[in-house]
Amino acid sequence: AQSVTQPDIHITVSEGASLELRCNYSYGATPYLFWYVQSPGQGLQLLLKYFSGDTLVQGIKGFEAEFKRSQSSFNLRKPSVHWSDAAEYFCAVAPYSSASKIIFGSGTRLSIRP
Amino acid sequence: DTGVSQDPRHKITKRGQNVTFRCDPISEHNRLYWYRQTLGQGPEFLTYFQNEAQLEKSRLLSDRFSAERPKGSFSTLEIQRTEQGDSAMYLCASSLYSGSSNTGELFFGEGSRLTVL
Repeated sequence: AQSVTQPDIHITVSEGASLELRCNYSYGATPYLFWYVQSPGQGLQLLLKYFSGDTLVQGIKGFEAEFKRSQSSFNLRKPSVHWSDAAEYFCAVAPYSSASKIIFGSGTRLSIRP
Repeated sequence: DTGVSQDPRHKITKRGQNVTFRCDPISEHNRLYWYRQTLGQGPEFLTYFQNEAQLEKSRLLSDRFSAERPKGSFSTLEIQRTEQGDSAMYLCASSLYSGSSNTGELFFGEGSRLTVL
């Protein structure tokens, strides 16, 4: 069965510092991979997605993620965080063929230190 | 606003009562999903529709839960005989599925929060 693991429940970084949020997935083939962000009182918003091709994908708000097949990972990065990046971040996976059911990880809460 | 809308945004009910949530997807989207999210957890898949057909239903969805999408547009999620464990945020999302060019991206509403006393 598909699963997504986000090992970090809560991360705090200083404003301006770099960020990496970890995500590991379990799936037999290369799935669709996503990162979503959820700010307080707002719906989930797609940051970026990977289907195939270049393993480094760029997203909105200056985020990027790298797909590493050998490590079954899809880590999210940002070179310099802003206070407005404080939110909950979810990694998600869906079957390649149909993307019918997207499975989410348990999330990583990001806090920004002034 | 042409995004996914959900109603009501917050529902407080007593244990044993029935509740119904409504979701209006983005108009051109043919797939509609329901997820449940509890505090500190990621969204948990409940069910999804393609047009009016319910294609998959989670084993987590007990027989007290029923979802419909009668005309392939809006959807309702009904919970009968609510229990305190049903307290959660119920999220609706929609997507455009077109076979070969499917992107899989979900567009979420802001959710309907259920509190069962």
